[in-house]
Amino acid sequence: DARVTQTPRHKVTEMGQEVTMRCQPILGHNTVFWYRQTMMQGLELLAYFRNRAPLDDSGMPKDRFSAEMPDATLATLKIQPSEPRDSAVYFCASGTFTGANVLTFGAGSRLTVL
Amino acid sequence: DAKTTQPNSMESNEEEPVHLPCNHSTISGTDYIHWYRQLPSQGPEYVIHGLTSNVNNRMASLAIAEDRKSSTLILHRATLRDAAVYYCILRGSGSARQLTFGSGTQLTVLP
Repeated sequence: DARVTQTPRHKVTEMGQEVTMRCQPILGHNTVFWYRQTMMQGLELLAYFRNRAPLDDSGMPKDRFSAEMPDATLATLKIQPSEPRDSAVYFCASGTFTGANVLTFGAGSRLTVL
Repeated sequence: DAKTTQPNSMESNEEEPVHLPCNHSTISGTDYIHWYRQLPSQGPEYVIHGLTSNVNNRMASLAIAEDRKSSTLILHRATLRDAAVYYCILRGSGSARQLTFGSGTQLTVLP
């Protein structure tokens, strides 16, 4: 089965450090989504892309978060500077912009900011 | 986005059928009904989707009410591996098409 690959799977860092999470969407998928999951807030949509162009990043704290798709095989989510409240599991998902648009999620990147 | 309402938790016995309900009274005519599940320590996983008619796949069945204001996910024989949080989500046909997750139903399967 085709998979969405996320790296790193686990990251522990200190407050103030830069964190970059990477996602390789499924080949042929033209939409990419970034979600964040915490116990308190559940799954929150941070940003999403269609054909590498950002469609909406209103769920993302703009001052410290940025999301990009430098090419069709790579999406990145960067946090600079990181804060303890950013500790969460970050999921990437990809899909096609047609029909029911089923999404395939990656296994997630668990971030701990000390 | 149209909202869905699901019970916070449900229990089932192993090898028995499970009916997970979802209410979506504000559904629009072009909204697809999607179900995803999230196993412990994993990302959400697609289960099934439908628009108007009932749907079956290898994982589950989806029964959609005639007025589309509610739906039921049916697991025909629950196994311990089906213990997960099940999310019922409406997906529109507009330019956004993102999935907005609610709190879902935590399914516990008892041996």
